[in-house]
Amino acid sequence: EDQVTQSPEALRLQEGESSSLNCSYTVSGLRGLFWYRQDPGKGPEFLFTLYSAGEEKEKERLKATLTKKESFLHITAPKPEDSATYLCAVGGSARQLTFGSGTQLTVLP
Amino acid sequence: DSGVTQTPKHLITATGQRVTLRCSPRSGDLSVYWYQQSLDQGLQFLIHYYNGEERAKGNILERFSAQQFPDLHSELNLSSLELGDSALYFCASSAGTSRSSYNEQFFGPGTRLTVL
Repeated sequence: EDQVTQSPEALRLQEGESSSLNCSYTVSGLRGLFWYRQDPGKGPEFLFTLYSAGEEKEKERLKATLTKKESFLHITAPKPEDSATYLCAVGGSARQLTFGSGTQLTVLP
Repeated sequence: DSGVTQTPKHLITATGQRVTLRCSPRSGDLSVYWYQQSLDQGLQFLIHYYNGEERAKGNILERFSAQQFPDLHSELNLSSLELGDSALYFCASSAGTSRSSYNEQFFGPGTRLTVL
């Protein structure tokens, strides 16, 4: 059974204080690892897809990396508008995405 | 705006009732996925349709059913509703399926179901 564990559950940062979110996974035959951002009461918003260990993707203040066991979402110099819940999901041979419970990020001005 | 639309935005109903949630995928997307999100369970995969055919089933209850129509819109039917069915229901769409990789899924705004 595919499993995804995200840590920390919640993170409070000061504006400009860089940090990383962790996504540890076990999956049978990784087909892709996905990062989403979700605002309260809204649908998840797609951020990145990573397919193989060593791959990195960047978008504005966010950078996602992938190893064989985990993925990191690095947030550089965050702003209050980066506050959201960040979800990690894996797709494996089970032909469905398995989501983690998310990291709730709060960036204080 | 992801391009995926869902109706209605909110639904309030009573236990034992039946409701239908509707989803229109992004233009050109053939795959539709349904998810349930509750506070204690997180985002749970329910079912996947590709071009009208069921492709994968997750933890979907027998009281729930779905279908995808020729115009590619999809409906999720929930019957004999219980208090525990109260949740956010999301639809997502993607360009298709591949044996070697997954295409990213784009989520709709969701339907909030409240069962009283």
